[in-house]
Amino acid sequence: GENVEQHPSTLSVQEGDSAVIKCTYSDSASNYFPWYKQELGKRPQLIIDIRSNVGEKKDQRIAVTLNKTAKHFSLHITETQPEDSAVYFCAARVNDMRFGAGTRLTVKP
Amino acid sequence: GAGVSQSPSNKVTEKGKDVELRCDPISGHTALYWYRQSLGQGLEFLIYFQGNSAPDKSGLPSDRFSAERTGGSVSTLTIQRTQQEDSAVYLCASSSDQGAYEQYFGPGTRLTVT
Repeated sequence: GENVEQHPSTLSVQEGDSAVIKCTYSDSASNYFPWYKQELGKRPQLIIDIRSNVGEKKDQRIAVTLNKTAKHFSLHITETQPEDSAVYFCAARVNDMRFGAGTRLTVKP
Repeated sequence: GAGVSQSPSNKVTEKGKDVELRCDPISGHTALYWYRQSLGQGLEFLIYFQGNSAPDKSGLPSDRFSAERTGGSVSTLTIQRTQQEDSAVYLCASSSDQGAYEQYFGPGTRLTVT
């Protein structure tokens, strides 16, 4: 089955800096790659997603890039703010969805 | 509209007891997923239902875990003879799976086995 690896496990940045989280997947048939944000004690919420026919997608301060050949995709957050602090999960979908282990992002004011 | 709901929100049970966790997906969503999240950990896939197809049970950790989905809507996750290591938040998610794969998560059930 699909195996998703996510790095780093923790990331601390200064407010205003950029943050990058990277994921790799194993199944070349994966066709959908979402990113979820989970604040403490809350459910995961989708923040951005990308499909396998697209290389990059941007939504305001958030962007995701996909390299199908290398089977990796990344989340980029620019101009980080303290409210971006949360755990971020990547995922890859073939039929079911498999999640990475998560990255705890801390944005220091 | 109504999102994914789960019940109970919290469940405390004694080791060895059976528990049932319920998930009500968004109306019309054909796909339903169960995940387990231990404290401070990632999302562990348990089981996936898609329409009338046989469920993908590949993530169930042992034969003490089972799930069913009645009428293509509500799902119940059953854990028999609970163990302390079963303590976690159990999250349910649904998606329309009609070309839109976004999963909507429920609030989860926090299970504590004493």
